[in-house]
Amino acid sequence: GAGVSQSPSNKVTEKGKDVELRCDPISGHTALYWYRQSLGQGLEFLIYFQGNSAPDKSGLPSDRFSAERTGGSVSTLTIQRTQQEDSAVYLCASSPYTDSPLHFGNGTRLTVT
Amino acid sequence: AQSVTQPDIHITVSEGASLELRCNYSYGATPYLFWYVQSPGQGLQLLLKYFSGDTLVQGIKGFEAEFKRSQSSFNLRKPSVHWSDAAEYFCAVGPQGQKVTFGTGTKLQVIP
Repeated sequence: GAGVSQSPSNKVTEKGKDVELRCDPISGHTALYWYRQSLGQGLEFLIYFQGNSAPDKSGLPSDRFSAERTGGSVSTLTIQRTQQEDSAVYLCASSPYTDSPLHFGNGTRLTVT
Repeated sequence: AQSVTQPDIHITVSEGASLELRCNYSYGATPYLFWYVQSPGQGLQLLLKYFSGDTLVQGIKGFEAEFKRSQSSFNLRKPSVHWSDAAEYFCAVGPQGQKVTFGTGTKLQVIP
């Protein structure tokens, strides 16, 4: 079946521009996560959506970062006024319910020049 | 808040040798624990998980991990490493109903 889909797979943007990263989770999965993977930094938690509950935004590094999840399905991660330190691979994952293993997408590689 | 420590950033083993990757977690109650693998150019794949019950869990690709509550550890082991095991390995903890937190990863290099 279809896995977690992320788009675009690669994004190059100029410093100061806004970017939107999209995640299509597996159909029926209620939990959705965004992580950031920088060289040597492991997976940094950004935000977690679970059903209709308020999202856990505790990992967002600054107010330039925001995310929404429409209709309990597709999610968009928005980075405003991008900085060079935002360059990383942004990974989305979903799971059918809380505490079940995560299914990861292939990520969006963001490069800020 | 929960946390995960993987003390070894990089490990090199010879093909056929045994492997142990360390993982220590911090969480007040019994956690849910996971190991994921990220092969070069690939996405993250679940190797195994511990939720409850038998503290020795078996995973895919011949891997196993043991939950030791007294040591707050969940180390990953494999008796004989294959060249295809070269990858980055991530330990993760996911307390009930809360976010999943990952360690910084251990890169495994396998030499002939």
